[in-house]
Amino acid sequence: AQSVTQPDIHITVSEGASLELRCNYSYGATPYLFWYVQSPGQGLQLLLKYFSGDTLVQGIKGFEAEFKRSQSSFNLRKPSVHWSDAAEYFCAVGTDSWGKLQFGAGTQVVVTP
Amino acid sequence: GAVVSQHPSRVICKSGTSVKIECRSLDFQATTMFWYRQFPKQSLMLMATSNEGSKATYEQGVEKDKFLINHASLTLSTLTVTSAHPEDSSFYICSAGGLNEQYFGPGTRLTVT
Repeated sequence: AQSVTQPDIHITVSEGASLELRCNYSYGATPYLFWYVQSPGQGLQLLLKYFSGDTLVQGIKGFEAEFKRSQSSFNLRKPSVHWSDAAEYFCAVGTDSWGKLQFGAGTQVVVTP
Repeated sequence: GAVVSQHPSRVICKSGTSVKIECRSLDFQATTMFWYRQFPKQSLMLMATSNEGSKATYEQGVEKDKFLINHASLTLSTLTVTSAHPEDSSFYICSAGGLNEQYFGPGTRLTVT
């Protein structure tokens, strides 16, 4: 069965510091991988996705993620966080070609001054 | 990006009544829409896939008679929670699109008293 694991429920980071959010997946075939951000009152926003090709993926808002098949991981990174990056972040895997997504539990990011 | 709206954003209903939640794609047509449920501090759980002009496909464990989904047009899908009970209180989120491009609504907070 497919699964998506985000080991960190909550992360606190200082503004300007780097951020890394972990995501591990279990999926039989080549996975379609996504990172979404959820802010209060707004719908989930796609940060980036990986389907194939270059394993380092660039996204919006300065985020990037690296697909590592050997580690079954798709970790999200940002070199320097801004206060506006405080939000809930979800890793997801596409489970069919229509767009069904399975989400991880999410990581709450708090940014301190 | 494309916009998906949900109405209402919040609803309170009495136990035993039914409530309808609308999901609209505002500037694009969506053959497929998805309905998710999110409990506090938890992940999104896919409830069903809604296809325009056909019956919805429900995930295992989701009561199709309780959560009625209608996708009557390419821009509107509705979720009706029938005979609601307090345990149905949750945050319901819809999305529209496919694997490559999927857009999420801001969610509807349902509280059943």
